[in-house]
Amino acid sequence: GAGVSQTPSNKVTEKGKYVELRCDPISGHTALYWYRQSLGQGPEFLIYFQGTGAADDSGLPNDRFFAVRPEGSVSTLKIQRTERGDSAVYLCASSDPGQPLNEQFFGPGTRLTVL
Amino acid sequence: AQKITQTQPGMFVQEKEAVTLDCTYDTSDQSYGLFWYKQPSSGEMIFLIYQGSYDEQNATEGRYSLNFQKARKSANLVISASQLGDSAMYFCAMREDYMDSNYQLIWGAGTKLIIKP
Repeated sequence: GAGVSQTPSNKVTEKGKYVELRCDPISGHTALYWYRQSLGQGPEFLIYFQGTGAADDSGLPNDRFFAVRPEGSVSTLKIQRTERGDSAVYLCASSDPGQPLNEQFFGPGTRLTVL
Repeated sequence: AQKITQTQPGMFVQEKEAVTLDCTYDTSDQSYGLFWYKQPSSGEMIFLIYQGSYDEQNATEGRYSLNFQKARKSANLVISASQLGDSAMYFCAMREDYMDSNYQLIWGAGTKLIIKP
């Protein structure tokens, strides 16, 4: 079946602009995660959805970051007033907590560059 | 707080040799899971292998095996008979596995593995 997809694959924006990053999880996966990966580092947790609700948003760095998942499937990560420090690869993952391993399946990521 | 440490920033290995990638972890939880992911230059994270904290046997998955030493809090990945396609970044990650956990993964900094022909 289809894996996790993310759009756009690359996004270049100017400092101060607003961006939206989209994630389409594996069908039937109720859990969805956003991570941020800076160059040369491991991913850092941003937010976790179980169904439509944000079960844990403790990883969001500040109030410029917000994410939604209105119908329990597609999720959008929104970044307001972008800063150069927001440049990173944003990874989305989904999982099925009903499965024994509940392993997370990742999308290809969106590379965000803030000029 | 939970922490994952990967002490090898980079490794060069001759093709067909076995390679061990180190991972140590720190947690006060009794129930947790350890994961290894591969990230090729294309960027996508690929799940390789999982070890649960209560699993008595080391996990194996094809050419991948996990050397789990609970008392030492280490979970090293062993790749047997390395291939050129194994060249990639490898990440060790940990997840709390208790009820009401958010199941987020805590990641190490990764090891860049290069297989030489």
